[in-house]
Amino acid sequence: QLQLQESGPGLVKPSETLSLTCIVSGGSISGSSYYWGWIRQPPEKGLGWIGSIYETGSTYYNPSLKSRVSISVDTSKNQFSLNLNSVTAADTAVYYCARLVFGSPYVDWGQGTLVTVSS
Amino acid sequence: QSVLTQPPSASGTPGQRATISCSGSRSNIGSNTVNWYQHLPGTAPKLLIHTNNQRPSGVPDRFSGSKSGTSASLAISGLQSGDEADYYCAAWDDSLDGPVFGTGTKVTVL
Repeated sequence: QLQLQESGPGLVKPSETLSLTCIVSGGSISGSSYYWGWIRQPPEKGLGWIGSIYETGSTYYNPSLKSRVSISVDTSKNQFSLNLNSVTAADTAVYYCARLVFGSPYVDWGQGTLVTVSS
Repeated sequence: QSVLTQPPSASGTPGQRATISCSGSRSNIGSNTVNWYQHLPGTAPKLLIHTNNQRPSGVPDRFSGSKSGTSASLAISGLQSGDEADYYCAAWDDSLDGPVFGTGTKVTVL
């Protein structure tokens, strides 16, 4: 059974870079037709897609975050990562890593991890 | 953040029916299928409905979905206390090349 586990700091200072990694188990990033991505939910707000990556490294980013976000994949470790730079309090959210299907709203979710931006 | 519009809340007494609407646009719901997710705080969202009206194995038939034009809806019949959760619609957006989600609806069983 597929499991996605987010890891990374729970507290990031303003203007710094938020970095999270998603470890995939029970399934392989390589050789599948799935995309791998990040979705976040700020407190008391709805869900928002951040971006996705295919095993080849092809990326798709939400235009609202494109200038600050980078997603990478390491197929040898079966994991993928998120970097979001120049963070502000508005980036405080629960961050979910996810397995996605391109062209579909189908999502397999990780448990989520809360990242707080504060000095 | 959220592109699809849902009412913030819905409620009913046990056994009643609750309906949640989801409004989008031509680039998302108008062109693509809709999924619904049930979300309990601190847990991963759970797929309730996929491809507009299909229930995954294990989801009770009390949950049903429909879509018309640029809107979709989720109906929960025979409300139970265990249905108290946040519900989100989702659709692929052709302009974004990514999924978009609803604003979320909190269901309360009175």
